[in-house]
Amino acid sequence: NAGVTQTPKFRVLKTGQSMTLLCAQDMNHEYMYWYRQDPGMGLRLIHYSVGEGTTAKGEVPDGYNVSRLKKQNFLLGLESAAPSQTSVYFCASSYSRGDRRRETQYFGPGTRLLVL
Amino acid sequence: DQQVKQNSPSLSVQEGRISILNCDYTNSMFDYFLWYKKYPAEGPTFLISISSIKDKNEDGRFTVFLNKSAKHLSLHIVPSQPGDSAVYFCAAINRNTGTASKLTFGTGTRLQVTL
Repeated sequence: NAGVTQTPKFRVLKTGQSMTLLCAQDMNHEYMYWYRQDPGMGLRLIHYSVGEGTTAKGEVPDGYNVSRLKKQNFLLGLESAAPSQTSVYFCASSYSRGDRRRETQYFGPGTRLLVL
Repeated sequence: DQQVKQNSPSLSVQEGRISILNCDYTNSMFDYFLWYKKYPAEGPTFLISISSIKDKNEDGRFTVFLNKSAKHLSLHIVPSQPGDSAVYFCAAINRNTGTASKLTFGTGTRLQVTL
């Protein structure tokens, strides 16, 4: 099992450009999450999904869009990149078992994004 | 408003000694707490967790203590090893809000275990 993988590992964008970050998991998890990590800020939740075809806003959703067309994939889009979106982006997944969900999230290795 | 706080950005401990990492929270609705460990250029990995109905959970060299009245938890690593050098994140969740596991993370503590 590869677990959670993220593509690309590193990207440089110019202000105003767009891009999509891809997250894939092979653990058949229902829930998937996108976080950003900034110095001194910990990890902050951008968007999340509780299942295929569903998405919801997290703590810092502005400037990002997401899609979950397939259960194993969760895409994070930046429509018009800004320098404030320079960050490390982590994808995570977790599973639910009936009514009992598991709080433990499994993280990908991260995507480092630099917006000039 | 930082609901989960790790007030020590860094900690240095000698190999073989005890490492104690602290975490405070302000939201009394949090009922489950987790510790994650993160190496450079890698994603966080789950280390240990504790439910609010307990005050201690142990897993090998790692023990987490929870003091609900003080809204404080701590991670003890005994004995500390050089491979424990990493950034440790405390996270909390209110499991009664919705279906997704929306974790609130602290800012992390960088632990360095010296020889």
